[in-house]
Amino acid sequence: NAGVMQNPRHLVRRRGQEARLRCSPMKGHSHVYWYRQLPEEGLKFMVYLQKENIIDESGMPKERFSAEFPKEGPSILRIQQVVRGDSAAYFCASSPRQGPSYEQYFGPGTRLTVT
Amino acid sequence: QKEVEQNSGPLSVPEGAIASLNCTYSDRGSQSFFWYRQYSGKSPELIMSIYSNGDKEDGRFTAQLNKASQYVSLLIRDSQPSDSATYLCAVYSSASKIIFGSGTRLSIRP
Repeated sequence: NAGVMQNPRHLVRRRGQEARLRCSPMKGHSHVYWYRQLPEEGLKFMVYLQKENIIDESGMPKERFSAEFPKEGPSILRIQQVVRGDSAAYFCASSPRQGPSYEQYFGPGTRLTVT
Repeated sequence: QKEVEQNSGPLSVPEGAIASLNCTYSDRGSQSFFWYRQYSGKSPELIMSIYSNGDKEDGRFTAQLNKASQYVSLLIRDSQPSDSATYLCAVYSSASKIIFGSGTRLSIRP
């Protein structure tokens, strides 16, 4: 049973370019969460999606960041016009359902470096 | 006040001893609690979840929850060098969201 998959694992972008991060949840999971982790810091919630719906985007910066989880295919986190401060590890997690009894399982992460 | 607080460490424990990691949370309506282990450069790995007051044991790990004190802890018995990692406390809050602490760095010295 494959776990949560993320690609690419490492991404280097120059300032002003776009970064596109992909996440495929575990089989049977339809809830996807994106987190950002700056060096030596904790995980910060960004957005929670179900298929074709954004449920909670309270952690997303208002500009340049967007996320989607289409009916077919992986969830995508898109960062437009990247800046140095966007350099971080971006983790995706999935769960079978939403609720206090359902644990989130993490993918390996995408490490974004903005030069 | 942070929603989920952990001592950042590092916590240094001799091999074979008990490592005790602590976490407090501010939302009294929080319903479930998780401990994740994160090795440097890797993703968080779920090691324990606990939903009701008391202790829950799994191998060398014991999670303890006291909702009245808004306190959750993780004990690691017979600590091994491979236990050296950052341990993240996570809380499912009344806002239907998992909130993570900043983590405690644990170092097991041989």
